Amino acid sequence: ILNVEQSPQSLHVQEGDSTNFTCSFPSSNFYALHWYRWETAKSPEALFVMTLNGDEKKKGRISATLNTKEGYSYLYIKGSQPEDSATYLCALHTGTASKLTFGTGTRLQVTL
Amino acid sequence: DAGVIQSPRHEVTEMGQEVTLRCKPISGHNSLFWYRQTMMRGLELLIYFNNNVPIDDSGMPEDRFSAKMPNASFSTLKIQPSEPRDSAVYFCASSLSGGGTEAFFGQGTRLTVV
Repeated sequence: ILNVEQSPQSLHVQEGDSTNFTCSFPSSNFYALHWYRWETAKSPEALFVMTLNGDEKKKGRISATLNTKEGYSYLYIKGSQPEDSATYLCALHTGTASKLTFGTGTRLQVTL
Repeated sequence: DAGVIQSPRHEVTEMGQEVTLRCKPISGHNSLFWYRQTMMRGLELLIYFNNNVPIDDSGMPEDRFSAKMPNASFSTLKIQPSEPRDSAVYFCASSLSGGGTEAFFGQGTRLTVV
């Protein structure tokens, strides 16, 4: 069983705060690390797919880093807004046969 | 492309009945995943296919669950007989094979077994 772990489980921040969460994964057989954003009553949507150690990706106020040697990735949100409220999932892609295993997510709530 | 299409969106059935969930992946995608969303485990991978072939079904809870992918544009997840503890949202997702590409999710099927 692959252990993809995310922390914290939930987070409550004020509008304008910057925040970050962690995804930890076994570094053996690594192929790619995905981040998804999942709003209530919707489907998960991809934010980033990262494959290289040291990779850093950015989309607007959201960015992510990857360390494949130690098995972790950080997701950062700068200047949180209420519309950022969602569950953020990371997923590990292992091997060439494309198995995609998700963590349990970090639930973010941003209030005014 | 309309994206990954799942049907039905909602299903309410009585315990003991057979339930079939359907998924049409994005055209050209050759990996297909079935997930179940639960409070305890989040998105739990049940089974995935690569080029229509089941690669890993270790996540299928028990023999009551089965999945097929008869061709590149259609997959089913069947529960027979259904039980109340099977109540959950079931998601189908597809992607291009290889870890460097994102998975696209359907809208999910909310199953309620009474």
